[in-house]
Amino acid sequence: KNEVEQSPQNLTAQEGEFITINCSYSVGISALHWLQQHPGGGIVSLFMLSSGKKKHGRLIATINIQEKHSSLHITASHPRDSAVYICAISSGSARQLTFGSGTQLTVLP
Amino acid sequence: NAGVMQNPRHLVRRRGQEARLRCSPMKGHSHVYWYRQLPEEGLKFMVYLQKENIIDESGMPKERFSAEFPKEGPSILRIQQVVRGDSAAYFCASSPAGNEQYFGPGTRLTVT
Repeated sequence: KNEVEQSPQNLTAQEGEFITINCSYSVGISALHWLQQHPGGGIVSLFMLSSGKKKHGRLIATINIQEKHSSLHITASHPRDSAVYICAISSGSARQLTFGSGTQLTVLP
Repeated sequence: NAGVMQNPRHLVRRRGQEARLRCSPMKGHSHVYWYRQLPEEGLKFMVYLQKENIIDESGMPKERFSAEFPKEGPSILRIQQVVRGDSAAYFCASSPAGNEQYFGPGTRLTVT
């Protein structure tokens, strides 16, 4: 079993829809990261969180430490949000990231 | 403040050649991580370095792969005698203190 599980693997939405991507993990962590990988391959760090909730524009990330679960929400989705969204955890002294398999999001106009 | 730089962006090598991938961290960042993304697979940790020191290389193959982060200059990931299975995207990320990580654009290695 992977340490980090994401769902769904693929998600297609209509422009304007509210989107939720889920991430569960099975080990103790120092932080959880949400990343966005563009079609061209570049990776952007969206959030790093260890408790509660963070918001940036139309993106919201939440984490429940007791349940070992995090969600990434996108409000008023837009075709430019189409990308792979990756959940990753950092743990241990080195803080290297362990990644989920990613969620391919496609937002249709 | 320039972001994390990686070069080359694309690298083609024949089997048996050496590949050198470079990563210049963001200014003021002394922590560098290397990750590999094999085709159709997720990202995997390879190695974590601080200036002049390898801190954790538990994700790096034991043979043919090495990494360094000298006092001056970029971090280098070196792959000797490349094989087709080394074809992948190699990303580095830098961090000021081993917490939030900023990713470079990646180097796409193709072994023919």
